[in-house]
Amino acid sequence: AQTVTQSQPEMSVQEAETVTLSCTYDTSENNYYLFWYKQPPSRQMILVIRQEAYKQQNATENRFSVNFQKAAKSFSLKISDSQLGDTAMYFCAFMRIYGGSQGNLIFGKGTKLSVKP
Amino acid sequence: DSGVTQTPKHLITATGQRVTLRCSPRSGDLSVYWYQQSLDQGLQFLIQYYNGEERAKGNILERFSAQQFPDLHSELNLSSLELGDSALYFCASSAPTDTEAFFGQGTRLTVV
Repeated sequence: AQTVTQSQPEMSVQEAETVTLSCTYDTSENNYYLFWYKQPPSRQMILVIRQEAYKQQNATENRFSVNFQKAAKSFSLKISDSQLGDTAMYFCAFMRIYGGSQGNLIFGKGTKLSVKP
Repeated sequence: DSGVTQTPKHLITATGQRVTLRCSPRSGDLSVYWYQQSLDQGLQFLIQYYNGEERAKGNILERFSAQQFPDLHSELNLSSLELGDSALYFCASSAPTDTEAFFGQGTRLTVV
């Protein structure tokens, strides 16, 4: 069974600064994806960034980037130039790919990020 | 707007009752997933349907059931409700060739 662990229940950062959220996972699978989802106070789940396990290059999306360490089973999210709108719960998630099809998402417990003015 | 529609947005009901949550996936998406978000359990996968057939089951109680209809909308039925079933229930959908799951706004269920 796969597990996802987020060891930081809460974090805070000053506006315009950089923050890194940690995530580790455990799996024996070879074909999978990793994700970071954001859940603002509106409760909507929004995809921030995803990484395919077979790709060595770390994914980036504007101010968001990941540090994917496959051997260490680590998948951290770096948010640069933090903005007040980044205040949200952030969930790390794992998805197994089998037979070319997507599996379900397995989520960590989340990290509550507060961006302070 | 993710394109996934869930109804109702809020639901308050008494213990022992039965409710039905409805989900309309994005146009073209064949997969529908149901997740439960509660304070103590976090976000948990309940069940997945693909083009009308059950694809995978997670931590879904026997009191809960789901189905996906020919028009691809899905319903999650919760029966013999208990206080502990109070949670936010999300539906998500994805296209056959995409790993991104699009989430609805959720249904907030309160059992009193």
